[in-house]
Amino acid sequence: AQTVTQSQPEMSVQEAETVTLSCTYDTSESDYYLFWYKQPPSRQMILVIRQEAYKQQNATENRFSVNFQKAAKSFSLKISDSQLGDAAMYFCAYRSAGLSYGGSQGNLIFGKGTKLSVKP
Amino acid sequence: DTAVSQTPKYLVTQMGNDKSIKCEQNLGHDTMYWYKQDSKKFLKIMFSYNNKELIINETVPNRFSPKSPDKAHLNLHINSLELGDSAVYFCASSLGLAGRETQYFGPGTRLLVL
Repeated sequence: AQTVTQSQPEMSVQEAETVTLSCTYDTSESDYYLFWYKQPPSRQMILVIRQEAYKQQNATENRFSVNFQKAAKSFSLKISDSQLGDAAMYFCAYRSAGLSYGGSQGNLIFGKGTKLSVKP
Repeated sequence: DTAVSQTPKYLVTQMGNDKSIKCEQNLGHDTMYWYKQDSKKFLKIMFSYNNKELIINETVPNRFSPKSPDKAHLNLHINSLELGDSAVYFCASSLGLAGRETQYFGPGTRLLVL
């Protein structure tokens, strides 16, 4: 079974600085997708960025970028020019590429999250 | 114009009661999900539905039953509520079953069982 590990329960960053959140995963599959979701105090789960495992190029979305190391099974999130609104729980998630016809395939498998604080 | 909506946002009830949480999506998606987020913020899949058919049913007590009147709605019924059911429940939807399809989440329903 696939697992996702976020080793940093809490992180802190100064406004305008850069912070990197770590995520590792375990899988025997070669084709899958990785996601970072943000959950602010409002509880809403917001997709930040996604990465296809078959793509070597790291995904970027404005101030958010990932460092995807497939061989190391690592998928870190870098937030540049941190803003107060970035303060939230960040969840790393894994999903198999295949269709889900029962069992755990097709599930989003989440890590336990990293709470990010942004200091003014 | 909310993409995935849930009602109610908060639900406080007594042990033993039966309650329902409603979910609607206006994205035209074929697949909908229910997730449970426990007190430690851990999110785990409970159910998913594709075109009104149950696809995944993880090890969830049979007191929980998803019901989908049409592909835009997936409601969660919970019978004989227990203290351990207190959590935040999230509905989500995606275009289809394929892993490449991004899941979009609702705002969550905080359930507190007293």
